[in-house]
Amino acid sequence: GESVGLHLPTLSVQEGDNSIINCAYSNSASDYFIWYKQESGKGPQFIIDIRSNMDKRQGQRVTVLLNKTVKHLSLQIAATQPGDSAVYFCAEGDGSNYQLIWGAGTKLIIKP
Amino acid sequence: GAVVSQHPSWVICKSGTSVKIECRSLDFQATTMFWYRQFPKKSLMLMATSNEGSKATYEQGVEKDKFLINHASLTLSTLTVTSAHPEDSSFYICSARPRGYDEQYFGPGTRLTVT
Repeated sequence: GESVGLHLPTLSVQEGDNSIINCAYSNSASDYFIWYKQESGKGPQFIIDIRSNMDKRQGQRVTVLLNKTVKHLSLQIAATQPGDSAVYFCAEGDGSNYQLIWGAGTKLIIKP
Repeated sequence: GAVVSQHPSWVICKSGTSVKIECRSLDFQATTMFWYRQFPKKSLMLMATSNEGSKATYEQGVEKDKFLINHASLTLSTLTVTSAHPEDSSFYICSARPRGYDEQYFGPGTRLTVT
């Protein structure tokens, strides 16, 4: 079936460096993509989203890039901080029923 | 804004009993609410989609008679796990979609342990 997947299950980054988390998707009909952050024992927290008519969107310290040609999504976190430690999920939707297809998740570890 | 709460945050129950989990959108009206289940170190698994005033739509493999969902108002949905078994132990998360928006906002989750 169609799915969203992640290239790296775990990513270790030095504090202060930039982090890049990648995601691949396979549903060509998806037109809405979201990144969530989930800390241990908590529900997912919305970080940033992007629609298929855009290639890039920036938030506070975060940037999402969408490459529709290769069906690739990435989340860039600038100046990574200890509080960024979490599991990051990408999710996609096609707007038909508001259901999301979830990726497997990437655990981000911050090294002091 | 866009705060979703869940109650309880954790619950322990005995096999054979039923447990009700509440999901509330505190500062917006939720046209649609979703219930997810998450196992340790795994992604979220959608259990059902619930629209206010109508019956929930369950995902394949989810027993609707075991996981009863009620979406009685635009700010409240409940999930009742009936005749709970140890294999029902999991982290249950709800999300709510505001009217007119695509975004889903998630609750903090409920840890269910069935002994």
